[in-house]
Amino acid sequence: DGGITQSPKYLFRKEGQNVTLSCEQNLNHDAMYWYRQDPGQGLRLIYYSQIVNDFQKGDIAEGYSVSREKKESFPLTVTSAQKNPTAFYLCASSNTGSGYVNIQYFGAGTRLSVL
Amino acid sequence: GENVEQHPSTLSVQEGDSAVIKCTYSDSASNYFPWYKQELGKRPQLIIDIRSNVGEKKDQRIAVTLNKTAKHFSLHITETQPEDSAVYFCAASYYGQNFVFGPGTRLSVLP
Repeated sequence: DGGITQSPKYLFRKEGQNVTLSCEQNLNHDAMYWYRQDPGQGLRLIYYSQIVNDFQKGDIAEGYSVSREKKESFPLTVTSAQKNPTAFYLCASSNTGSGYVNIQYFGAGTRLSVL
Repeated sequence: GENVEQHPSTLSVQEGDSAVIKCTYSDSASNYFPWYKQELGKRPQLIIDIRSNVGEKKDQRIAVTLNKTAKHFSLHITETQPEDSAVYFCAASYYGQNFVFGPGTRLSVLP
């Protein structure tokens, strides 16, 4: 399944609560990404990281935070500031650079709902 | 930054016919162009990709063509089958950095 594990598969958030989505990869990829997908819509980039201890905001970073303390892990926190968090969240990873196959692999996703 | 457009947004074809989806990109530096298939509730799966040093690539019933001058690339599916029904996304990237996705095409193959 591409070596990317997302957990949990389903997550429920109460109002005012922060929740963290896990993403782990064993592909030795440098780059990792978080996307949000709303029903019937495309993929919108939340955050991405090209290297450990470094990450950049994507198109819709407000209300989200990330960390990249290890190469294998890129957790996403959905904060209480994100007022409409209900969506399907996808984590992905890839190798970058001319010497690598640059395929981006996706995890199975986490479906977040608000209680 | 890069911008990727994709057309059509929906496509219906009869089983056995061909389907073509087109994408255009804006950044001439982009050099890697994957196509993903996403079934309902599932993760996107890579079905074919192409690098900018190649004009065409085929894999059984699926092919991708790239026109670097015009900055567009297309997905061609021949002899479509009902199991080809899904949402297809194109993307553009520079050496695996900063993937930018098109908005998607919903393909329906009618029996």
